[in-house]
Formats: sequence, structure tokens, C-alpha cells
Amino acid sequence: DTGVSQDPRHKITKRGQNVTFRCDPISEHNRLYWYRQTLGQGPEFLTYFQNEAQLEKSRLLSDRFSAERPKGSFSTLEIQRTEQGDSAMYLCASSSQGREQFFGPGTRLTVL
Amino acid sequence: RKEVEQDPGPFNVPEGATVAFNCTYSNSASQSFFWYRQDCRKEPKLLMSVYSSGNEDGRFTAQLNRASQYISLLIRDSKLSDSATYLCVVRNTGGFKTIFGAGTRLFVKA
Repeated sequence: DTGVSQDPRHKITKRGQNVTFRCDPISEHNRLYWYRQTLGQGPEFLTYFQNEAQLEKSRLLSDRFSAERPKGSFSTLEIQRTEQGDSAMYLCASSSQGREQFFGPGTRLTVL
Repeated sequence: RKEVEQDPGPFNVPEGATVAFNCTYSNSASQSFFWYRQDCRKEPKLLMSVYSSGNEDGRFTAQLNRASQYISLLIRDSKLSDSATYLCVVRNTGGFKTIFGAGTRLFVKA
């Protein structure tokens, strides 16, 4: 399978815990995006990488959120001190320069 | 005001019907436009890009009106398999920040 993959697919955690999600983009794609989606809403842009550089970060991304793409390949999104409002689907997408974005299956986070 | 606005629906139509969705965007500098389709509990998938001159892909036709800042999607001869949420997507100048509408839900019934 050469599509975008995300791990884990589901995560249940208790409020206050830290969680980390991983995204493996399509191998030849240099652009990587993270989104958050809640029920009844479209995906909300969180952050964007071109190769290993994080070029844009949404105001939605509080200080508890951090994303990395250390070698310009896979990326991780970490949420520290999770809150119930962080419960959502976290989607990763990748693209080549100026082309369409391909999405991964998402990580569904539930914070109890 | 949201940057991208869509009628949430739902649109309930019989098989074979023609249905149209509109979407408005607020940033006049927006550069690229797309329609994505999202099935329940699945990831969004590109349906089609939207070009200034309008474009068609089988039963689907997309139009862009830059002066009025809206995008439309027309689906002809609806199929049961067209039931999904249709997301209007706008990419702003710079080419990376992508704004999704909340989506329009379509149910096609036999």
C-alpha cells in the first residue's frame, strides 16, 4: 500500500495524559499537512511541513500541540496534557508541490 | 464569518435526480479550488479540481465565479453511491494553507 498511513487508528486516553500520533506520507511527497476534524465539521488546518521545515502553524494549535518532521519523511503530532476538547479525528495529508492532497485514514482520539 | 461556507443540507434526492451545491469563500486572493468527497468515518478524497473556465468529469460539473466568490458542484443522474458529504476546499495564496468548508450532506434514495 503506497498511500498515506497513520498510527494508531484509535487512541483512548485519560485527561492530562500525553499522546503522540504518527503519519507516514506517500514517499515522493515533500509536503505534509495535519488537520483536526470534529463531528459535522470539515477538516481544520493545524500545520504544514515542506520537507522538514514547519512553514505554517494555525492559531488553533495551542502550546500543548507540537509537530515534527525530522528527516522530511514521517511526521509526529504530540498533544501534551490532553483535554476533553481535544477529542477529534486527526488527519494527515501529503502532496507534491502544488498538487492535490492525499489523506490518511486518520487517528481518532477520545479523551476521557 | 467563516472563510468557506456551505449549506450543510442534508439534501435528500431520488436516484436519477440532478442536484447542485454552492459554496462561498471570503478571501478574494484565494488561488485554488476543489471539491472533496467524504464518506462516513472515512478520510476525504479529491472529487475534482475547479477551474476558472468550469470543468466536467462524467456526471459532475464544477463552476467557479471569482467575481461573486462562489463555487458550485452539479451532480447529474444521481446514484445511490453518490451519498456522501461534499467538502468545498479553498487554497489561499502561498499554496499551502487549505481551508475546508463544513460540508454538504447528500442522501440519494432508491
